[in-house]
Amino acid sequence: AQSVTQLDSHVSVSEGTPVLLRCNYSSSYSPSLFWYVQHPNKGLQLLLKYTSAATLVKGINGFEAEFKKSETSFHLTKPSAHMSDAAEYFCVVTFTGGGNKLTFGTGTQLKVEL
Amino acid sequence: EPEVTQTPSHQVTQMGQEVILRCVPISNHLYFYWYRQILGQKVEFLVSFYNNEISEKSEIFDDQFSVERPDGSNFTLKIRSTKLEDSAMYFCASRAGRGVASTDTQYFGPGTRLTVL
Repeated sequence: AQSVTQLDSHVSVSEGTPVLLRCNYSSSYSPSLFWYVQHPNKGLQLLLKYTSAATLVKGINGFEAEFKKSETSFHLTKPSAHMSDAAEYFCVVTFTGGGNKLTFGTGTQLKVEL
Repeated sequence: EPEVTQTPSHQVTQMGQEVILRCVPISNHLYFYWYRQILGQKVEFLVSFYNNEISEKSEIFDDQFSVERPDGSNFTLKIRSTKLEDSAMYFCASRAGRGVASTDTQYFGPGTRLTVL
């Protein structure tokens, strides 16, 4: 079985300050992990993915995530938030041989304030 | 850049009616998926489709649901007799496919918001 837990349903930051969105995963097999972003009334856009290569993964728009097997975590970070980052972020897990169905976390709503 | 498209963007129907949600996956992709997101809840897997057959389905995907690839481009989700609880955003996704390697990214369409009255 596989699952992800997003520890915060809402995160609020000031523009220009760092962003940290937390995700812990559970998978019986070697996981692949993703972060997707959903802007209001838009579809799901891939931010970045981890697939057993480098543990520090760089994505679009300055986002990064680090895979830590010992902590079963895959937290998403960005050094400096922009207003345009306000959206809902989903941590997602799948694993090789699992048919590639994606299992989503419950999402974290990121609010960016002036 | 190629993208997954979905039509309609919003569908309103009466309970008990049949609806067909349409998706055009990225043209060279081989694996297709439907997910749904009930308002305020997380995105849930419904079904995956490869080589003209269902490869996996969730418990949600009961006999009221069916999928089809009627031609070389479209991928449809049919709900035979809609219920109030089918109201949700339905996302189609496609993946290029290299065997079952999970390294392939699933690309999502913008979604169809289904409202059942």
